[in-house]
This record gives sequence, C-alpha cells and structure tokens, in this order.
Amino acid sequence: EAGVAQSPRYKIIEKRQSVAFWCNPISGHATLYWYQQILGQGPKLLIQFQNNGVVDDSQLPKDRFSAERLKGVDSTLKIQPAKLEDSAVYLCASSLDIAIREQYFGPGTRLTVT
Amino acid sequence: GQQLNQSPQSMFIQEGEDVSMNCTSSSIFNTWLWYKQDPGEGPVLLIALYKAGELTSNGRLTAQFGITRKDSFLNISASIPSDVGIYFCAGFINTGNQFYFGTGTSLTVIP
Repeated sequence: EAGVAQSPRYKIIEKRQSVAFWCNPISGHATLYWYQQILGQGPKLLIQFQNNGVVDDSQLPKDRFSAERLKGVDSTLKIQPAKLEDSAVYLCASSLDIAIREQYFGPGTRLTVT
Repeated sequence: GQQLNQSPQSMFIQEGEDVSMNCTSSSIFNTWLWYKQDPGEGPVLLIALYKAGELTSNGRLTAQFGITRKDSFLNISASIPSDVGIYFCAGFINTGNQFYFGTGTSLTVIP
C-alpha cells in the first residue's frame, strides 16, 4: 500500500512570494491533515479535512494560508504572501476516518523563505 | 493551544540500555499516540493508546496511557543504534477534534 505522497520535497522562495504544496493521502483515507513543523518543535496542526469538508482550521493563519480538498482525495496548501517565519516543514497526514486517531504522515515539504 | 511536555528533552545512552520517556499535560486526553521521526522524514506511528491504564507493546517498545489521562509513558528495551531519532507523543481530545504534539525527546544511542 502506497503511503502519503507530498511534493515538492524542498522549496526556496523569497518573502512576499506565493507557494503551494500538494498532498495525496493513503488510498481510502477520508481524513487529511496539514501540519507545520518549525525546526526543533513538534508538528502543529493547521487544518483537518473529512472528505472535502473542513473539520477544523482554527490554527490556520487565514490571512495568508489557504487549503482545499475539492474532490475529497488530494489536497493543496497555499501560502500567499510568504513571511520569513513561515520557514518550516509542512507535513501532510491521513487517517482512515476522523474517528480513527492513528495518522500516517508523508515525508513533508521543507520550505525556506529568504 | 494545549501544551504537551515531554521529558527528558534529550537522552544519550549506551547500546543495550533501556529507555524511559514521558509526556504530561494539564488537560485530559482521550487518545495518546507515540511517533518516531528521523531527520528529513515525517513522523512514523509507533503505538496508539485509547483507554486509561492501557499498556501496549510493539516489539521492544511499550507505552502506557496514564490513569489520570493527563500523561503517557514510552519505554524502549535493549536499545539499538537504529532507535536514534526524535520521539513525539501526541494527544487527542474528542471535543472539538483537537490534536496536539509534544515537544519531543531526542534519543542518541552510543554503540
């Protein structure tokens, strides 16, 4: 069974530019999560989807971050415009259902904002 | 948000030694998970705990869901070099589907 796929693996942009990350969850997993992991810290949940609906986005900085999962499968996280403090690894995870707490993570996208 | 405090922050041990680490919070959690993260990779799920007092093993790893539901513990027996990495606890609160990660414990195993 294929794991969670993410692309790109690395991205370097200048501040005020835009960037987008893509995630394809494990096949059949209804719930998808986006996390931000700053160097030296644990992952912080940004947004969670159940199929194509948002369950919780209370920690998503909505003035610059957006995410969508239009068909309930793959998802895109966008930052526009980026700030220096957005430099982090962006992790995507999926679980079979929102009631199933076991989440499986992709390799992440390392973003550097200069 | 919630704070999950892990201790110790880092550990340096000899190969073959046993390891213990814990995760504490001021809030009650409904589910505890333990993950291991290698450099440049996403966290890998090790153990999931769903009931207070539950003790679960996965090979040389054993984790427990604290009776108070405010803490969890992970033990690694007979450590080997590939155990090196950062171990994170994660807790889930059913109300509001809240999910939080701990601060991490960095483990170094000296051959």
